[in-house]
Amino acid sequence: KAGVTQTPRYLIKTRGQQVTLSCSPISGHRSVSWYQQTPGQGLQFLFEYFSETQRNKGNFPGRFSGRQFSNSRSEMNVSTLELGDSALYLCASSFSSTAVNSPLHFGNGTRLTVT
Amino acid sequence: TQLLEQSPQFLSIQEGENLTVYCNSSSVFSSLQWYRQEPGEGPVLLVTVVTGGEVKKLKRLTFQFGDARKDSSLHITAAQPGDTGLYLCALLSLHGSSNTGKLIFGQGTTLQVKP
Repeated sequence: KAGVTQTPRYLIKTRGQQVTLSCSPISGHRSVSWYQQTPGQGLQFLFEYFSETQRNKGNFPGRFSGRQFSNSRSEMNVSTLELGDSALYLCASSFSSTAVNSPLHFGNGTRLTVT
Repeated sequence: TQLLEQSPQFLSIQEGENLTVYCNSSSVFSSLQWYRQEPGEGPVLLVTVVTGGEVKKLKRLTFQFGDARKDSSLHITAAQPGDTGLYLCALLSLHGSSNTGKLIFGQGTTLQVKP
């Protein structure tokens, strides 16, 4: 069974540009969550999508957005990139919405560097 | 906002030694998860603890949930170089009155086991 696949693995962008990250969940999983990981702030929740609907959102500015397609694949977009957006962006999938009985399976992340 | 504090932040030990990592919160949490993240990879779920006083074992790893459900610990016996990684605790923060939500992570403990 294939795991969570994130593309691309590495990305270098310039301040002011926008970027789109992609996540393919485990087959059969309908929930996709996105997290940002930085050395200073650790892992922070961005948002969760379930059946193409945003279920939950973290405390990030509106420059961060996402969507989920009918096949459960998800994309995350960051517009007007800032240096502080440099981070590892992790996608996680679960069978149903994040809960005790529906554990998360993480991908290996996309490393975004903003220069 | 419920926060998790992990200690120690860094730990460097020799192969064969024992160690304990702690995760504490000022509030009671309904459940707690432990993850391990290796360099270049996403976090992998090790265990979920739900009941106060619960103890779970995973080979040489022992996880304990405090009686008051405000703290947890991870004990590794006879550490091996393969145990090297970032250990993260996370609590499930429920969304409204639903039984689903988002994970709030501690800052993590970086463990290095030298051969």
